[in-house]
Amino acid sequence: EVQLVESGGGLAKPGGSLRLSCAASGFSFSNDCMTWVRQAPGQGLEWVGRIKSKTDGGTTDYAAPVKGRFTISRDDSKNMVYLQMNSLKTEDTGVYYCTTDKSIPAAVWWFDPWGQGTLVIVSS
Amino acid sequence: SSELTQDPAVSVALGQTVRITCRGDSLRSSYASWYQQKPGQAPVLVLYGKNNRPSGIPDRFSGSTSVNTASLTITGTQAEDEAEYYCNSRDNSGDHLYVFGTGTKVTVL
Repeated sequence: EVQLVESGGGLAKPGGSLRLSCAASGFSFSNDCMTWVRQAPGQGLEWVGRIKSKTDGGTTDYAAPVKGRFTISRDDSKNMVYLQMNSLKTEDTGVYYCTTDKSIPAAVWWFDPWGQGTLVIVSS
Repeated sequence: SSELTQDPAVSVALGQTVRITCRGDSLRSSYASWYQQKPGQAPVLVLYGKNNRPSGIPDRFSGSTSVNTASLTITGTQAEDEAEYYCNSRDNSGDHLYVFGTGTKVTVL
C-alpha cells in the first residue's frame, strides 16, 4: 500500500524551529519528487516547496513566503523527507502535508498520494 | 503571483450534475489537477491532465479545459461527493511554483 506519514508537528514560539518528517512506503521513493503543502486553519492549500529525486539533480524549490527560512531534505536510504522550519512566524500555523509531485510530458502535473498531515502551531 | 479563482460554493441536488470552474492565467500553459477534501481529512486527487482519473475515482468525475479555464464536472452527484474541491496548476511566473485555487464547497441537497 502506498503511504505517506508525517510527524513532528507541535507548538513552537515565534522565531523558533521545528523539523517535520515524512515516512514513505509502498512505492519507489528515491525516484519521486517530494513536496510539502500546508493549510492554515479554515483556509485553502498552499504549496510550500519540493525536493527533486537525486536522479533529477536533488534540487529544491520554495515558495517565496518560506524561502530562506525552510529547508527540505531527503534520505533515500530511509525513505524519508524532512522539512526544517526556522524563524517561524505565526502565519506558518497550519497543517503540513507531504505528497509526491508527479508529471508527464505536455504540461501535466499532479500531487498523489498525500499524507494525513501534521499540525504546526506557532504562538507565544 | 498568479491566482486561480473558483466560485466559493455551489449546491447540487442528489443525482444531478454540477460543474466547478477554475480560472487563471497559469492554465494557459499548464493543465489543472483537482483535489477533493472532506472536513478533517487530507486532499485526494480526483482528476489530472486533460481528463485523467486516478485508480479508484468514479467515472462520474470528468474534466475539461479551455484557454484559461479548467472545469471539473460531477455527473450523477452522490452524497459522498459533498466536499471542498481545489484546482491546482504549475505557475512558472509567480512566487509559488504551483498555485492552488481558492476552493469550492460543494453541498449535495
